[in-house]
Amino acid sequence: AQSVTQLGSHVSVSEGALVLLRCNYSSSVPPYLFWYVQYPNQGLQLLLKYTTGATLVKGINGFEAEFKKSETSFHLTKPSAHMSDAAEYFCAVAGSARQLTFGSGTQLTVLP
Amino acid sequence: DAGVIQSPRHEVTEMGQEVTLRCKPISGHDYLFWYRQTMMRGLELLIYFNNNVPIDDSGMPEDRFSAKMPNASFSTLKIQPSEPRDSAVYFCASSPGLADTGELFFGEGSRLTVL
Repeated sequence: AQSVTQLGSHVSVSEGALVLLRCNYSSSVPPYLFWYVQYPNQGLQLLLKYTTGATLVKGINGFEAEFKKSETSFHLTKPSAHMSDAAEYFCAVAGSARQLTFGSGTQLTVLP
Repeated sequence: DAGVIQSPRHEVTEMGQEVTLRCKPISGHDYLFWYRQTMMRGLELLIYFNNNVPIDDSGMPEDRFSAKMPNASFSTLKIQPSEPRDSAVYFCASSPGLADTGELFFGEGSRLTVL
């Protein structure tokens, strides 16, 4: 079984500031990890994923995440927030690749 | 490709009525998923299909819910009879038949309100 915990249901940052969204997971097998983004009234879109190999993963729109096995974490970062980054972000883990377990989501607000 | 297409986008109905939500997955995708999203429970996997065959329906809340996939390009999620607690956004997602990618392509969702 697997689970995901996202710390902070709401995060606010100023435009141009660092974005850090936290995700911790548990998994009984080597995990596949994902970040998805949901804009208002839309479905989820994949931002980035970690399966195997390099632990620092780069995604779309300047986001990246680092898989840290020792900390069971997969935090999402972006060096400089843009107004268009305002959305809800979901971390997800897959034990078997086809069944994703999603976290509860983090609503990101970007302040001008 | 047009992406995953869901209909209707919005549905308002009265308690006790039958509701049918529809989904057209991306052509060539072997997996289809139905999720429900609510404020209280977040995103919940209801059921998923592989090559039109239901694989895991353990997330279907009760017998009032049923899902079918008669062919590779169409799936339905039916609620009969509907109840106010079924109000949610229902998402359909599809995934290609590649090993271990785990990438889901979501539709825009069907927002259901049961009065």
